[in-house]
Amino acid sequence: DQQVKQNSPSLSVQEGRISILNCDYTNSMFDYFLWYKKYPAEGPTFLISISSIKDKNEDGRFTVFLNKSAKHLSLHIVPSQPGDSAVYFCAASGAPYNTDKLIFGTGTRLQVFP
Amino acid sequence: EPEVTQTPSHQVTQMGQEVILRCVPISNHLYFYWYRQILGQKVEFLVSFYNNEISEKSEIFDDQFSVERPDGSNFTLKIRSTKLEDSAMYFCASSGPDRDEQYFGPGTRLTVT
Repeated sequence: DQQVKQNSPSLSVQEGRISILNCDYTNSMFDYFLWYKKYPAEGPTFLISISSIKDKNEDGRFTVFLNKSAKHLSLHIVPSQPGDSAVYFCAASGAPYNTDKLIFGTGTRLQVFP
Repeated sequence: EPEVTQTPSHQVTQMGQEVILRCVPISNHLYFYWYRQILGQKVEFLVSFYNNEISEKSEIFDDQFSVERPDGSNFTLKIRSTKLEDSAMYFCASSGPDRDEQYFGPGTRLTVT
């Protein structure tokens, strides 16, 4: 079941620069997309989300872009900080009109170095 | 800031034993979920729960699993007869009336020996 894919297992970025994390999906029934950040031995922490009716959502240093025709979304973190170092998961659901179960990607480990 | 809490943080049990994992969702949330993550694998959906009944369950959620909201605050996952392959991190999550953003607890690490 590869409905949500994160093809880059890891990303290394210098502090202050932009981090771009990518995610692709295959199911056109997905209507809602989320990004979570996860530290070891902790639960996923919600970061930012976007509905399929939008193509961009911004919250502080975090911006999510959605390209429905390409079934692709990305998370931009600007400027990156060492505290951003974690595993980032993309997730998708059919909420609010269909199933709200989240389908997760495999994650991208981001390392921000000084 | 309200958060989802889970207990215990780590549970070790022998194969064949019953375990109950406990969660306290965010207080004004209406939708509740369990997910799990086997070491090195994706986070996987197990079950969703609303209005005191299961809304949806995955094929992982077989007859060995059950969920309950015994009172106004707790949400539990019971595994009747644990197997070695049930060893995983189990995450509880909850969401508000829009069913959009799901907020996760810190997880319970279940080790079946």
